Amino acid sequence: DVKVTQSSRYLVKRTGEKVFLECVQDMDHENMFWYRQDPGLGLRLIYFSYDVKMKEKGDIPEGYSVSREKKERFSLILESASTNQTSMYLCASSPDRGQGEQYFGPGTRLTVT
Amino acid sequence: QKEVEQNSGPLSVPEGAIASLNCTYSDRGSQSFFWYRQYSGKSPELIMFIYSNGDKEDGRFTAQLNKASQYVSLLIRDSQPSDSATYLCAVTPGYKLSFGAGTTVTVRA
Repeated sequence: DVKVTQSSRYLVKRTGEKVFLECVQDMDHENMFWYRQDPGLGLRLIYFSYDVKMKEKGDIPEGYSVSREKKERFSLILESASTNQTSMYLCASSPDRGQGEQYFGPGTRLTVT
Repeated sequence: QKEVEQNSGPLSVPEGAIASLNCTYSDRGSQSFFWYRQYSGKSPELIMFIYSNGDKEDGRFTAQLNKASQYVSLLIRDSQPSDSATYLCAVTPGYKLSFGAGTTVTVRA
């Protein structure tokens, strides 16, 4: 079974703090993704990575950065958290030789106060 | 026009009935089609995928794909209360998925 884990299920941070969300997958998948999910807006892609040290912007990259130093780990960084970044953050991974199927981690509910 | 559109919900069905979920997509280059189930407060879980025109059955779930009409559907037969969730349609021409907004299904006991 594919296992994608995220560092925290719930996180509360203050405005202006630097926030790190970490994601680890154990299936040797090449591709990893960060989404946020908000009521009424659905799943929106923030960044994705198709190889170590490679990254591409998704639909809403502003205010975020990412890091992928190892194949199994993909980190999302909020440089200076703001209240409009309060959301559910979901990490996913997919194999290069698959058909595009993505497997999600349990999610991190981030609240910025 | 949104890339992936799903029939608006919520959809309420009695226990034992068939729930029918529909999805249309705009990118004719899409090759792979997925259905995810998401329980409230949880992350999406992949339940079905289909790549070729026609029907694909897996237990109580049947996915149907018509590439000419750019249409994919999910049927849930013998609906159970545990099927109450939001169902997300996702399509991809490659490795980036485009998701629909989801249809919330409630199965009435």
